[in-house]
Amino acid sequence: ELKVEQNPLFLSMQEGKNYTIYCNYSTTSDRLYWYRQDPGKSLESLFVLLSNGAVKQEGRLMASLDTKARLSTLHITAAVHDLSATYFCAVGRTKTSGSRLTFGEGTQLTVNP
Amino acid sequence: NAGVMQNPRHLVRRRGQEARLRCSPVKGHSHVYWYRQLPEEGLKFMVYLQKENIIDESGMPKERFSAEFPKEGPSILRIQQVVRGDSAAYFCASSPVRELVWNTEAFFGQGTRLTVV
Repeated sequence: ELKVEQNPLFLSMQEGKNYTIYCNYSTTSDRLYWYRQDPGKSLESLFVLLSNGAVKQEGRLMASLDTKARLSTLHITAAVHDLSATYFCAVGRTKTSGSRLTFGEGTQLTVNP
Repeated sequence: NAGVMQNPRHLVRRRGQEARLRCSPVKGHSHVYWYRQLPEEGLKFMVYLQKENIIDESGMPKERFSAEFPKEGPSILRIQQVVRGDSAAYFCASSPVRELVWNTEAFFGQGTRLTVV
């Protein structure tokens, strides 16, 4: 059974600081996603990572994937208050499961002024 | 270019009633996935459907829950005799049919927030 673990689960940081959220998964996968969720809202797709060594950046967020280590990271640079949200990583399972995703528990990020 | 549409957005049911949640996929998508999110938790896969077929229902409780995706019309997630523990946000996602393309992204709807009182 595929397991996805994120850490930390709660992260409180000051504006301007850098930090990294980690996502470990237990079995081989062919794709990894990062989503953002604001309270009471749906999921906003941030990144799709499809291959070993993939790195994608959007604004203050950068995601990377190491398929050998089964690890993805979401790096936050110079955090701002608007980044406060819950961040989920999700892993695509096997080819026979279509686009089914297994989600991590989420990292609740609070950026303080 | 409408995305995944779910309705209702909020649903309140008394214990023992039935809840019906609807999901209209992105136009042209024929794969639908339902996920449940309990408060303060991540999303948990429930069921994966294609038109008129249930492909994978391994995440769905064996009793009281059922799902369908008819040839015409939206996908329906049905919960019979709801209990308080069913209170959650239910998200639907759809993805396109493209043979041998496994890296397609699932597009999520806004969710239905079910409250059982």
